[in-house]
Amino acid sequence: AQSVTQPDIHITVSEGASLELRCNYSYGATPYLFWYVQSPGQGLQLLLKYFSGDTLVQGIKGFEAEFKRSQSSFNLRKPSVHWSDAAEYFCAVGYNFNKFYFGSGTKLNVKP
Amino acid sequence: GAVVSQHPSRVICKSGTSVKIECRSLDFQATTMFWYRQFPKQSLMLMATSNEGSKATYEQGVEKDKFLINHASLTLSTLTVTSAHPEDSSFYICSASRLAGGLTGELFFGEGSRLTVL
Repeated sequence: AQSVTQPDIHITVSEGASLELRCNYSYGATPYLFWYVQSPGQGLQLLLKYFSGDTLVQGIKGFEAEFKRSQSSFNLRKPSVHWSDAAEYFCAVGYNFNKFYFGSGTKLNVKP
Repeated sequence: GAVVSQHPSRVICKSGTSVKIECRSLDFQATTMFWYRQFPKQSLMLMATSNEGSKATYEQGVEKDKFLINHASLTLSTLTVTSAHPEDSSFYICSASRLAGGLTGELFFGEGSRLTVL
């Protein structure tokens, strides 16, 4: 069965520090991979996506993610976190023409 | 980017009543829409896939008679929670996909609807 794992429930980083959020997936074929961000009480906003090609993808707000097939991972990174990045981040796997499954989410806190 | 609008954003109803939530794709046609439910501090759980002009496909464990989905046009899908009970209180989020070149498109999400059943 397909699954998405985000092993970190909460992460706290200082403003200006680097960030890496982990995501692992379980799926037979190469999936379509996404990272979404959700602010409290809001819907989800797409940060970036990977379909094929270059395994390092750039997204909005300075985020990037790297697809590593050998590790079944798609970790999200940002070199310098801003206070406005505090939110919950969801990794998602898409397959079968748009059926998406989400990880359990990682809540990011940013210390001043 | 593409816009998906959900209405209402908040609704409070009495136990036993039915509530309808609308999901509209404002600037593109969506042959497929998805309904998710999000419990507090948890991830999104896919409830059903809504296909324009055909019956929705429900995920295992989701009661199709409780959560009625209608996808009458390429820009509108509705979720009706029938005979709502307090345990149906949740945050419901819809999403729509815009296919690009035959590949899986990204999902565009509505703002969510918070249902509170008293």
